[in-house]
Amino acid sequence: RKEVEQDPGPFNVPEGATVAFNCTYSNSASQSFFWYRQDCRKEPKLLMSVYSSGNEDGRFTAQLNRASQYISLLIRDSKLSDSATYLCVVNRDSGYALNFGKGTSLLVTP
Amino acid sequence: SAVISQKPSRDICQRGTSLTIQCQVDSQVTMMFWYRQQPGQSLTLIATANQGSEATYESGFVIDKFPISRPNLTFSTLTVSNMSPEDSSIYLCSAVTGDGNTIYFGEGSWLTVV
Repeated sequence: RKEVEQDPGPFNVPEGATVAFNCTYSNSASQSFFWYRQDCRKEPKLLMSVYSSGNEDGRFTAQLNRASQYISLLIRDSKLSDSATYLCVVNRDSGYALNFGKGTSLLVTP
Repeated sequence: SAVISQKPSRDICQRGTSLTIQCQVDSQVTMMFWYRQQPGQSLTLIATANQGSEATYESGFVIDKFPISRPNLTFSTLTVSNMSPEDSSIYLCSAVTGDGNTIYFGEGSWLTVV
C-alpha cells in the first residue's frame, strides 16, 4: 500500500465550480498534513497546512479525519489560475521528512 | 522565510557520467533533504542530509549512487553517479527552518540522461 494515495484525476471543471480532492494516508503516526500545489515544471509550493479542526483559507478548505486517515481539499469558485497539480503531503512519523501523493491534476476551463 | 537556490537548474548528461547538484539556503536551517520526482511519479525522499556526517538514506537509495555532503548548515550537494536514463528526473532540495514550522523547496534541478 502506498503511503499517500490520491485520485490522479484529471479533474476538468468550469470556472466558478466547486471541486473536492481526497487523499488517504497509511502511517497512523503522521502528525503533520499539507496540501501543496505544483505547476507544470515547477517545484511544489505550500498551499495550506491541514489541522485536525479543519481550516479555511479564502476559497480553500481543508479537512482532516485522523480516525479514517483521510484528508480533503475543497476549492470553491474555481479560477483559471487554480489549474495545477495538487499534492497531498504527510510527514513521516514525527519528523520533517515528507511523503507525497502522486497528485491530483486540476484543469479549470473558461 | 528561506530562499533555496539549486544549481544547475537543468542539464543533459551522457550515461555513465556523474553530476553534482548544489543547494544553497539563504538562512540557517535545521534539516535538509533531497527528493526525486521521476516523470509521472510522486516526489520520493532520497535522503536526509546531515551536517558534518553521513546522510541518512531511504530504502532503495545508496550512498555509492547518490553521495551527499552537507558541510555546514546552509549548503548541501547531491551527486548522481554513473548515470543511466532511469536517473532522468527532477531533483529537489528541501529545508526546514529553525522554528520547524515551514518546509521550503528549491526550484529543482531537471536532469535528462541520454
